[in-house]
Amino acid sequence: GIQVEQSPPDLILQEGANSTLRCNFSDSVNNLQWFHQNPWGQLINLFYIPSGTKQNGRLSATTVATERYSLLYISSSQTTDSGVYFCAGKGGGADGLTFGKGTHLIIQP
Amino acid sequence: KAGVTQTPRYLIKTRGQQVTLSCSPISGHRSVSWYQQTPGQGLQFLFEYFSETQRNKGNFPGRFSGRQFSNSRSEMNVSTLELGDSALYLCASSTSDTYGYTFGSGTRLTVV
Repeated sequence: GIQVEQSPPDLILQEGANSTLRCNFSDSVNNLQWFHQNPWGQLINLFYIPSGTKQNGRLSATTVATERYSLLYISSSQTTDSGVYFCAGKGGGADGLTFGKGTHLIIQP
Repeated sequence: KAGVTQTPRYLIKTRGQQVTLSCSPISGHRSVSWYQQTPGQGLQFLFEYFSETQRNKGNFPGRFSGRQFSNSRSEMNVSTLELGDSALYLCASSTSDTYGYTFGSGTRLTVV
């Protein structure tokens, strides 16, 4: 199956700062998503973005499928942005979504 | 539109017992998949069902099984529970495997 590498593993920022989270894939994926896991464990879907760029408020994401990576941008961070961010993709085989290990983001007031 | 509903939210079982978890997908979604999340292994794919047929299966022992009903609701069963089965079990639904997945709130299973 595919391998998913996320960086950085941990990120501590002040409120108002901007951040970029990265996700690298070992092979092509045909389903790529970014999630934010809330304190209760639920994975909140941020973007479904197998290619191209999307924006939703202060969040945006870009996937360069030919180079097998995706970026999640968070601008003007708020304390409520804290949590773990996961990217996940599905390869061409018979597996489900493969997740990265996540980026643990802490936004300090 | 209701989201993905998982029941129960929390569960405590004794080693050796079996457990059944339930997942109701978003209305109209025919694909349901299950994932296990542990601190050590992260999020791992268990299996996926589409129109009552298991389509994909992750690398888990046969103690882990599932099924999907005609209304797309799904259950997963773990038999002969082990301490290592303690985890957050997440269910996700999708219209097909080429669209995004929406996750439920999960069932937190503790095996004692």
